[in-house]
Amino acid sequence: DIQMTQSPSSLSASVGDRVNITCRASQGIFHYVAWFQQEPGKAPKSLISAASTLLSGVPSRFSGSGSGTDFTLTISGLQPEDFATYYCQQYNTYPISFGQGTRLEIK
Amino acid sequence: EVQLVESGGGLVQPGGSLRLSCAASGFMFSSYEMNWVRQAPGKGLEWVSYISSSGSVIIYADSVKGRFTVSRDNAKNSLYLQMNSLGAEDTAIYYCASPTMSDVFDLWGQGTMVTVSS
Repeated sequence: DIQMTQSPSSLSASVGDRVNITCRASQGIFHYVAWFQQEPGKAPKSLISAASTLLSGVPSRFSGSGSGTDFTLTISGLQPEDFATYYCQQYNTYPISFGQGTRLEIK
Repeated sequence: EVQLVESGGGLVQPGGSLRLSCAASGFMFSSYEMNWVRQAPGKGLEWVSYISSSGSVIIYADSVKGRFTVSRDNAKNSLYLQMNSLGAEDTAIYYCASPTMSDVFDLWGQGTMVTVSS
């Protein structure tokens, strides 16, 4: 099974900051990574597919990069509504697996 | 409106059973793969099960294999998860999710809470 190691587990930042969240896969998964945002008490929301494809309706301040084993989610110019928990997911191979999550908090 | 609505959660004793449902509306349910994902209280996301659009291909996480059964009724636009031999480790919010406009889980239900406790 493929393990997704996500870091950091938590992150404090201010409105307007740029932040990076990384995920490392235990084996190569090409570009089959998605990123999700989850607000407290709500279902996850998809942000990015195929490592770097921004999904419809997602603000352009979100971007993704990477291939193979190393992937990054970047949020440029944090907005108040961005403070949430973020998860990476590999969908190259079943069983699908998620990273442990990154809690993004307001500094 | 395109949506998924889960139901069937609740409190069940250890060793008990529960059947979750996920009702789809606003899109051609029979054309889409479906998944169950769960989230234990305060924890991360865990993929549970996959079923193909026709129901002919089914995959489970090792943690539920042999205890959970996923099925679908395309005529009723519904997805199901039969959960047997439940343990405390199965306590979680259960979400149904589907890749409808992309190749990732872009449509999620609101979740249904399952609590396994005596």
